[in-house]
Amino acid sequence: SQTIHQWPATLVQPVGSPLSLECTVEGTSNPNLYWYRQAAGRGLQLLFYSVGIGQISSEVPQNLSASRPQDRQFILSSKKLLLSDSGFYLCAWSPGAGRVTGELFFGEGSRLTVL
Amino acid sequence: RKEVEQDPGPFNVPEGATVAFNCTYSNSASQSFFWYRQDCRKEPKLLMSVYSSGNEDGRFTAQLNRASQYISLLIRDSKLSDSATYLCVVRPNFGNEKLTFGTGTRLTIIP
Repeated sequence: SQTIHQWPATLVQPVGSPLSLECTVEGTSNPNLYWYRQAAGRGLQLLFYSVGIGQISSEVPQNLSASRPQDRQFILSSKKLLLSDSGFYLCAWSPGAGRVTGELFFGEGSRLTVL
Repeated sequence: RKEVEQDPGPFNVPEGATVAFNCTYSNSASQSFFWYRQDCRKEPKLLMSVYSSGNEDGRFTAQLNRASQYISLLIRDSKLSDSATYLCVVRPNFGNEKLTFGTGTRLTIIP
C-alpha cells in the first residue's frame, strides 16, 4: 500500500531563518507531488506541484521554493522565513498522468510558526 | 469571484438531524468534484467524489448542478463523529493535476 511521510510535524522558527520540509512517498512510482499551505481560517493554497523529477510548477510568488531530487521525494525550502510564512504545510500525492483518479493523499502536515 | 466558495459556518446541528452544505464554483468547464473532510489540526481526507447523476454513500449524498455551478453534500442522521470541516474541491479539467479547495464549512454535531 502507498504511504506518505512528512516531517517535521511541528517547528518554530525565527524570522529570517531557513526552512526545509521533507516529504516522501512509498509504494508507488512517478506520483504527482504537491505542497499546499493552510493559513489560519483560510483554505488550502497550492504552492507547488510536480509531475516528475526536476519538474516544479510554482503557483504563487513567494519566498519559498520546492525541489524534487528523487521520484518520490519532495522538499519545500526557504532561505529566509517571513512572519507570513506561518501556517500548516501539507504535502500530497496523486497517481501520475494516465492513472488519474482526482484523489489527493495528504501527509500529516507540518505546523510552522515563525516568530 | 473565488474559484470555489463555501459558507464557512459554523453549522451547529443536533445529533440525528439532517444537514446540507452547498458549494459554488466559478469555472464552468470544471470536470471533477469532490468533498473532503478535515478534522481539527489534521490533514484533509477524501470523503466522496461527486458524480453528475448524484451519488450516495451511506448517510452521505452528493449532488452536482452544472447549470447553476454548485455541488451539495447532505448528511442524514448526523453523528457526533461527523463534526469536522468539509472542504469542497474542484478539478478544472481532465489532465489538469491541480485541485482547488474551498475554505471549508465547519460542522459541529451537538449531543
